[in-house]
Amino acid sequence: DAMVIQNPRYQVTQFGKPVTLSCSQTLNHNVMYWYQQKSSQAPKLLFHYYDKDFNNEADTPDNFQSRRPNTSFCFLDIRSPGLGDAAMYLCATSATATATSGANVLTFGAGSRLTVL
Amino acid sequence: GQNIDQPTEMTATEGAIVQINCTYQTSGFNGLFWYQQHAGEAPTFLSYNVLDGLEEKGRFSSFLSRSKGYSYLLLKELQMKDSASYLCAVSDSNYQLIWGAGTKLIIKP
Repeated sequence: DAMVIQNPRYQVTQFGKPVTLSCSQTLNHNVMYWYQQKSSQAPKLLFHYYDKDFNNEADTPDNFQSRRPNTSFCFLDIRSPGLGDAAMYLCATSATATATSGANVLTFGAGSRLTVL
Repeated sequence: GQNIDQPTEMTATEGAIVQINCTYQTSGFNGLFWYQQHAGEAPTFLSYNVLDGLEEKGRFSSFLSRSKGYSYLLLKELQMKDSASYLCAVSDSNYQLIWGAGTKLIIKP
């Protein structure tokens, strides 16, 4: 089945110790997204890629970086995690929205839950 | 600014019907989505409305009124497995998704 796979599902790190979260997709979607979601809050968009074009949200802290080496893979790097970065990190993909196709459905991975000690 | 409002929490009884409302103010409109999210899991797509009216899909229906900036998700014949958060999201003029904080639905036997 075509899908979005995130690893690891659960990540525990120490304050300030870098982590990398990965996302892979078999849907061949050209748009990939990284969201941060805290309990009972809306998902917050951190970055998205249209193919290799990187789009950084204005309020995404510099502590968060992303890489997309090819269509299938995307990584989220948290350089120095703080207690406030503990959250669920969601990767999602979609086809490109156009005036003809309209908005497209996002397909999410299962998420990576980050705990910072 | 852009804003999505939905109730924080609702409670309903197994077998009953519940309506979850969503109002929005966005820069442009390219459709409204409803997603279901079980605790600790990722959101999954339920419905998409871009034209006014009711879209029915099994036990779930979604309604849209663009002039009122209003949508609702109607869940019929509630089952315990419907206990989840329901997220309303609007695609704005740039096809960026604006998300609501979600409505936590609690189903009681």
